[in-house]
This record gives sequence, C-alpha cells and structure tokens, in this order.
Amino acid sequence: RKEVEQDPGPFNVPEGATVAFNCTYSNSASQSFFWYRQDCRKEPKLLMSVYSSGNEDGRFTAQLNRASQYISLLIRDSKLSDSATYLCVVILDTGRRALTFGSGTRLQVQP
Amino acid sequence: GAGVSQSPSNKVTEKGKDVELRCDPISGHTALYWYRQRLGQGLEFLIYFQGNSAPDKSGLPSDRFSAERTGESVSTLTIQRTQQEDSAVYLCASSLGGADYGYTFGSGTRLTVV
Repeated sequence: RKEVEQDPGPFNVPEGATVAFNCTYSNSASQSFFWYRQDCRKEPKLLMSVYSSGNEDGRFTAQLNRASQYISLLIRDSKLSDSATYLCVVILDTGRRALTFGSGTRLQVQP
Repeated sequence: GAGVSQSPSNKVTEKGKDVELRCDPISGHTALYWYRQRLGQGLEFLIYFQGNSAPDKSGLPSDRFSAERTGESVSTLTIQRTQQEDSAVYLCASSLGGADYGYTFGSGTRLTVV
C-alpha cells in the first residue's frame, strides 16, 4: 500500500463548479499535512497547510480526518486558472521530516 | 536569495558521464531536500539535509547517486555513470525546518540522458 494515495483523475469540471479531492495516508503517526499545486512542467507550489480544525483560504477549504486518515481539498467556484495537478503531501514522522507526496490529482476546469 | 535557485535548468548528457546538479536554498533555511520526478510521475524523495545533522539518504536509488551540503548553504547532487533511466526533473526544496512550515521548491533541473 502506498504511503499517500490519491485518485489520479482527471477531474473535468465546468467553470463555477465545486470540486473535492480526497487523499488517504497509511501512517497514523503522520504529523503535518499540506496541499501543493503543480502546473504542467513547473515545480510544486504550496497551496495550503491542513490543520486539524480545518482551514479555509478564499475558495479553498482543507480538512483533516485523523480517525479515518484522510485529508480533503474543496474548491468552490472553479476558475480556468485552477486547472493543475493537486498534490497531497504528508510528513510521516518526526525523525525523517521529509515530505511524502501523493502522485497527484489532475483537475481540468473547462469553459 | 528570494527563492530556491537550481542550476543548470536543463542538462543533456551522454550515457555513462557524470553530472552535478546544484541547489541554492533560501537564505536561513536549515532544511534542504532533493526529489526526482520522472515524466508523468509523482515526486520521489532522494535525500534530506537538516542543519549539521547526518543527512537522510534513504531515498537515493543507487550508489551512483550522492549529495553534499556544507552547513546551511549550497547543495550538490552528483550522479555518476548516468543511465537513461536517470532522465527526470530533479527538484530541490528548502524549508525553515519546523513542522508547520511549507517548503519552497526550485524550478528544477531537467536531466536528459541520451
């Protein structure tokens, strides 16, 4: 089983739609969680951290469910510019502290 | 500097040659990571440096791969006797090192082994 799993998509949605991605992680001792965005042939960029209480940044909402070991990202009122691959990122343990990436979920917002 | 800088941005090399990739982290960032991303694939962890601690080399795929970092400055990733399967984008990221800090990536070095 992969340490971090995501549905690869693609998710094809019309502009203005609401779309949600889930990501599951296998290590219950995972400490920190992030969503990154990666545009085609570009480096990943931090979208938002994910906190236990859930957090919102404009049209983006991230939630963490430790009991079920998943995190989610909700995008409201999708824009064409939201088209990208969304990477779920977990820090698995205190010792290593390296980021572990899911393979990403591709989103295509269509006019 | 303002961001993580990597050089070269592109490198084409012949099979069997050695290559050296360079990463300049953000000033003051104690943590530095190397990742590899093959075309259409996710990011693979290679190596992690944190301050003066021993690096975590658990992701290096073979003994042809090595990396160095002096203190909290520049890091170099060296690939010896390159193979075609080494073709990928090599990404460097740096961080302040705390659990809640995000990581800033450089734009990567695209390595093509022919």
